Amino acid sequence: DQQVKQNSPSLSVQEGRISILNCDYTNSMFDYFLWYKKYPAEGPTFLISISSIKDKNEDGRFTVFLNKSAKHLSLHIVPSQPGDSAVYFCAASALSGNQFYFGTGTSLTVIP
Amino acid sequence: DVKVTQSSRYLVKRTGEKVFLECVQDMDHENMFWYRQDPGLGLRLIYFSYDVKMKEKGDIPEGYSVSREKKERFSLILESASTNQTSMYLCASSSGVNTEAFFGQGTRLTVV
Repeated sequence: DQQVKQNSPSLSVQEGRISILNCDYTNSMFDYFLWYKKYPAEGPTFLISISSIKDKNEDGRFTVFLNKSAKHLSLHIVPSQPGDSAVYFCAASALSGNQFYFGTGTSLTVIP
Repeated sequence: DVKVTQSSRYLVKRTGEKVFLECVQDMDHENMFWYRQDPGLGLRLIYFSYDVKMKEKGDIPEGYSVSREKKERFSLILESASTNQTSMYLCASSSGVNTEAFFGQGTRLTVV
C-alpha cells in the first residue's frame, strides 16, 4: 500500500507564476519529509526538507508547508522558471525506521 | 562535493544473464539503498543496507540480491535478468533517515 501519495501526475504553470505540488501520507509515524527534483536520465537531487516539529521551511524560491493533522505537505515554487520543469518526488521517513518512502512523482512543466 | 557513483549509465543485457550494478559513495554513509523507477510507479525500494554485510528487503526484492562487503560499495545483482526488469535503477546513500539521501546518476537497464 502506497504510504506516500502524489495524486497529480502532472502540472503546467506559466513562467513567473506559483507552482504548488501536493503530497499526502498515511503513516502518522513519519516525522521527516523531503522533496526531490529529477530530470530525465539523471538521479534525483535533493531540494528541501522539513521536520515534523515545523510547519514551514523556506529556501530561496522553494517553500515546503506541512500540515500534520491533515497528513499533507506541499511544495511552493515562486516564481516558477522554465528550468524548474522536472519530475518532483516527495518522500517521508520515520526516525524509528531506516528507509525513505517515495511518492509516484509529479511532472512539472513551466511554460515560457 | 559529495558523490554517489553508479558504474554504468546505460546497459543492455540478454534475458537470463546475471547482471551486476555497482554503486560507490564517498561520504562514509551507513545507509545505502537500491531503487527502481518506472513511469507512474515512482521510486520503489528493492533492498537497503544499514551496515556492512547487513541487508534488508524493500518493497520489491524478488529477482534481486545485494552485496555490501565494504562500507562504500553496494551492489545490486539480477540473478537471471528478465524483460520486466527493464527499468531505471537508482542507488542512494544517507547518514540516517532524518537527513537527505544522495542519489547516483542512475543506470538505465534494458533487458532484451
